[in-house]
Amino acid sequence: QKEVEQNSGPLSVPEGAIASLNCTYSDRGSQSFFWYRQYSGKSPELIMFIYSNGDKEDGRFTAQLNKASQYVSLLIRDSQPSDSATYLCAVTGNAGNMLTFGGGTRLMVKP
Amino acid sequence: AAGVIQSPRHLIKEKRETATLKCYPIPRHDTVYWYQQGPGQDPQFLISFYEKMQSDKGSIPDRFSAQQFSDYHSELNMSSLELGDSALYFCASSTRTGLYEQYFGPGTRLTVT
Repeated sequence: QKEVEQNSGPLSVPEGAIASLNCTYSDRGSQSFFWYRQYSGKSPELIMFIYSNGDKEDGRFTAQLNKASQYVSLLIRDSQPSDSATYLCAVTGNAGNMLTFGGGTRLMVKP
Repeated sequence: AAGVIQSPRHLIKEKRETATLKCYPIPRHDTVYWYQQGPGQDPQFLISFYEKMQSDKGSIPDRFSAQQFSDYHSELNMSSLELGDSALYFCASSTRTGLYEQYFGPGTRLTVT
C-alpha cells in the first residue's frame, strides 16, 4: 500500500463545473499537505498547502483536510480547460521535510 | 519572481557514463531537494541539503552523490549510468519557515542510451 493514495482518473468534468480531487494518507504523523499541478512533461507547480483541519480557500481552489479520516481534498470551482493536468497530492511527516507523493489524478475539463 | 534554475535542461548519455546536474535555488532559499520522476510515475525523493549539509536521504542509488555549495546551489553527480536512470530530475527549494513549501525547477530530462 502506498503511503499516499489518489485515484488515477481520468476525472472528466465539463467547463464551469466543480472538480473534486481526493487523497488519503496512511501515516498519522503526516504534518503538512500540498497540492501540485503538473502538465505533461513539465515540473510540479505548487497550488495549495494546508496543515490544520478544515478548509483553506485561495481563488478558485479550496483545500480540505480531515486528519481524523486521514483525508485531504482539492476542489476547483469554475473549472477551465486550462485546468486539465495531473494533480499531485504530497505530504510531509515526522521523518523529514521530503515530499511523499500520491500517484496523481489526471483531470480533464471539457469545453 | 525568480524561480529555481536547473541545467542542463536535456542531457543524453551512454551507459556507464557520468552526468552532473546543477540546481540554483530561489534567492534566499537555503534548502534544496532532488527528486526523480520516471515515465508515468510520481516524483521520488532522492536527497536534500540544508546549509550545505545533507538533511534527508531517500531512495538515492549509491552511484549518485550530491552536494550543496556555499552559494546554496547544488549538484547531483551520477556515475555508471544505467538505462533505468532515464528520467526527469527535479530540484526544488524552500526556506526553513512556514510549512517549508517546496518550489520546483523546470527539471533536467536525462536520457541514457
